[in-house]
Amino acid sequence: DTEVTQTPKHLVMGMTNKKSLKCEQHMGHRAMYWYKQKAKKPPELMFVYSYEKLSINESVPSRFSPECPNSSLLNLHLHALQPEDSALYLCASSQGYLTVTYEQYFGPGTRLTVT
Amino acid sequence: TQLLEQSPQFLSIQEGENLTVYCNSSSVFSSLQWYRQEPGEGPVLLVTVVTGGEVKKLKRLTFQFGDARKDSSLHITAAQPGDTGLYLCAGASEEGSNYQLIWGAGTKLIIKP
Repeated sequence: DTEVTQTPKHLVMGMTNKKSLKCEQHMGHRAMYWYKQKAKKPPELMFVYSYEKLSINESVPSRFSPECPNSSLLNLHLHALQPEDSALYLCASSQGYLTVTYEQYFGPGTRLTVT
Repeated sequence: TQLLEQSPQFLSIQEGENLTVYCNSSSVFSSLQWYRQEPGEGPVLLVTVVTGGEVKKLKRLTFQFGDARKDSSLHITAAQPGDTGLYLCAGASEEGSNYQLIWGAGTKLIIKP
């Protein structure tokens, strides 16, 4: 099973709303990632969790707040977003963070629109 | 700043033709992954190459890692409409203690029936 699931599939929110994106994997992977992807661009790394600890925060604005409740779950809490934050948000996982092969398995993404 | 230059950015060809996509860098990578992404979906891992000079085949797709582990290519033989998608290469890099994936810009491939 190489599946990473994400909910919701689509999300429309106003700039004053608070919402959360959820991600789950059952592959026993110990590293999980959040990416942001704009149309026709490659994914941009936002956060990396390794063994449930935040390892990398790529200078992401504080209106994005990640959370890793356990080794299978990853959340991204959203608050006071801007229209330019509209994008496809991707979750990924890998066996480990400091591994040579570094294979990442992606979920289907959440299409976020900020109005 | 490490870069992975991917070319071409866009390719539209007829069914049955062959094509090659390239990813080039001046940096050495520990490994390199190729992904395919459909619109509105997440990237799907196709292959990982690790050893310099390595060649891997996935049906009509052939992936090669350069001898110096700085470049890679994806060759598709007799392309089919089902091959349509965005192809992304990503190199695994170690700079100091900071591991990261360096992404190419992507190749949007359209195969016309």
